[in-house]
Amino acid sequence: AQSVTQLGSHVSVSEGALVLLRCNYSSSVPPYLFWYVQYPNQGLQLLLKYTTGATLVKGINGFEAEFKKSETSFHLTKPSAHMSDAAEYFCAVRVAAGNKLTFGGGTRVLVKP
Amino acid sequence: KAGVTQTPRYLIKTRGQQVTLSCSPISGHRSVSWYQQTPGQGLQFLFEYFSETQRNKGNFPGRFSGRQFSNSRSEMNVSTLELGDSALYLCASSLAGPGGSGNTIYFGEGSWLTVV
Repeated sequence: AQSVTQLGSHVSVSEGALVLLRCNYSSSVPPYLFWYVQYPNQGLQLLLKYTTGATLVKGINGFEAEFKKSETSFHLTKPSAHMSDAAEYFCAVRVAAGNKLTFGGGTRVLVKP
Repeated sequence: KAGVTQTPRYLIKTRGQQVTLSCSPISGHRSVSWYQQTPGQGLQFLFEYFSETQRNKGNFPGRFSGRQFSNSRSEMNVSTLELGDSALYLCASSLAGPGGSGNTIYFGEGSWLTVV
């Protein structure tokens, strides 16, 4: 069975600083990996996804993530945080056999002015 | 193009009652899945439907059930509500069926259920 671990349930960054959110997964088969963002009282919005091919994936709002198979990681980064990045971020894995997503526990990002 | 639509957005029920939540997927999407989100347990998969058939099921008691109609719209039902069922219930839809190569899963805004 697959699982996802997000290190740090809360992250605080200064506006303009690097945002780094960590995600490690376990899967017995090649995974599809996703990052979603959730703003207060809203659903989940896809930031980016890794399926196959290029291991560095660029998403919306300046976010990107790198798939590292040897480290079973899919960390999310953004070079310069903006106040609007304050939200909760979820890493998720899906195995090829279905549309079921397994989520990490989420990381809430606070951006300080 | 309309997104995933969930109704109702907010509802309050009493313990022991039942509730039905509705989800309309993005036009053309045939796969619909449901998730429960709580502060304690996070996001947990409930079930997935494709072409009116349940394809995957999470680890929830039988009080949680769902169905999908021929137009891909889906409903989930929770019977004999417990306080612990208070949660945000999220519906998601995707284009391809199970096994689709990396198809994106789109989420609705969710239905907030409070059980008192």
